[in-house]
Formats: sequence, structure tokens, C-alpha cells
Amino acid sequence: EAGVAQSPRYKIIEKRQSVAFWCNPISGHATLYWYQQILGQGPKLLIQFQNNGVVDDSQLPKDRFSAERLKGVDSTLKIQPAKLEDSAVYLCASSLMARGGRTDTQYFGPGTRLTVL
Amino acid sequence: DQQVKQNSPSLSVQEGRISILNCDYTNSMFDYFLWYKKYPAEGPTFLISISSIKDKNEDGRFTVFLNKSAKHLSLHIVPSQPGDSAVYFCAAAVWGSQGNLIFGKGTKLSVKP
Repeated sequence: EAGVAQSPRYKIIEKRQSVAFWCNPISGHATLYWYQQILGQGPKLLIQFQNNGVVDDSQLPKDRFSAERLKGVDSTLKIQPAKLEDSAVYLCASSLMARGGRTDTQYFGPGTRLTVL
Repeated sequence: DQQVKQNSPSLSVQEGRISILNCDYTNSMFDYFLWYKKYPAEGPTFLISISSIKDKNEDGRFTVFLNKSAKHLSLHIVPSQPGDSAVYFCAAAVWGSQGNLIFGKGTKLSVKP
């Protein structure tokens, strides 16, 4: 079974530029997550989708970050404009379904390492 | 405010010995706990979990213990192997949170041959 795919693996941009990351979850997984992992920290959830609907985006800096999952399969996360503090690894994860009262196992992709200069 | 704390940034253990990784949490609403393992340049991989109705869960060489009164959990690896060398993240979730995992900062385990 193919795992969660992410691209690109690495990206270097200058501040105020824009950048987009792509994620393709495991086939059949309804729930998709984007996490931000700053160096030395654990992953922090940015946004969670159930199919093509947003379940939780409370920690997404909406003034500069946006994400979509139009057809309920793959997803893109965009940063516009980027700041120095956005330098991090952006992880995508998927799970079968996040039901109320239960947490299905989340499977992570390899991540995209973003460096903002 | 860190809700999940892994106070040891690193741990070094001899091959064949026991590795004990610790995790503390502050939110009493957490009722599901997980350990993830992460190798360099890879995403975290699920290792083992435990719900608050249990105090122990075992899977092969890996055992997780939960002490709810102390708000503490630990991961035991016995025996430790060089391939276990990785960063281990503790994560917690609240019942009904729809999968919102709160992660600790991780502990880097080094198992020496």
C-alpha cells in the first residue's frame, strides 16, 4: 500500500515570496491533516479536513496560510507571503476517519522542509 | 503553554538493555495517548497507543504505561536495538477532538552496539 506522498521535499524561498505544498493521502483515507514542525518542537496541527470539508483550522494563520482539498483526495497548503518564522517542516498525515470520540491512527508523509531566507 | 512535555531531549542506552522514555501531560481532558517514532528525513511513524481506560498496553518489545493520577506515561523498549535509534514523540488527544493530536518536543534515543 502506498504511503502519504508529499512534494516538494525541500524548498528555499525568500521572505515575502509565496510557496505551495502538495499532499496525496493514502487511498481511501477520508481525513487529512497538515502539521507544522519547527526545529526542536513536536508537530503542531494547522488544519484538518474530513473529505473536502474543514474540521479544524483554529491554529492556521489565516492571514497568510490557506489550504484546500477540493475533491476530497489530495490537498495543497499555501503560504503567501512567507515570513522567516515559517521555516519548518510541513507534514501531511491521513487517517481512515476521525470520528467523534475516536482517533484513528494517523499516517504521516515524509514532509516538506521549507527554508525562508 | 506546553500540554505534553518530554523533559529529556536525549537518551543513550546500550544494546540489549531497557530504554525508558517519559512523557508528562497537564490537560486532564486527554484520554488517548500515542507514541510516534521518527527517523531523519522521514515522517513520524505510529508505534503504540493507549486509552485512559487502561494502564498498560504491550506490543512486542514496546510497552506503554499510563499513570493517570500522576498525568504521566512512559514507553519501555526491551530489549533495545540499534535500529530503535530515532526521535520518539509522545502525543495526546481529547475524546471527541476529531483527531487533534498534541505532540511533545520529542526525545532522541541512541542505542549503542
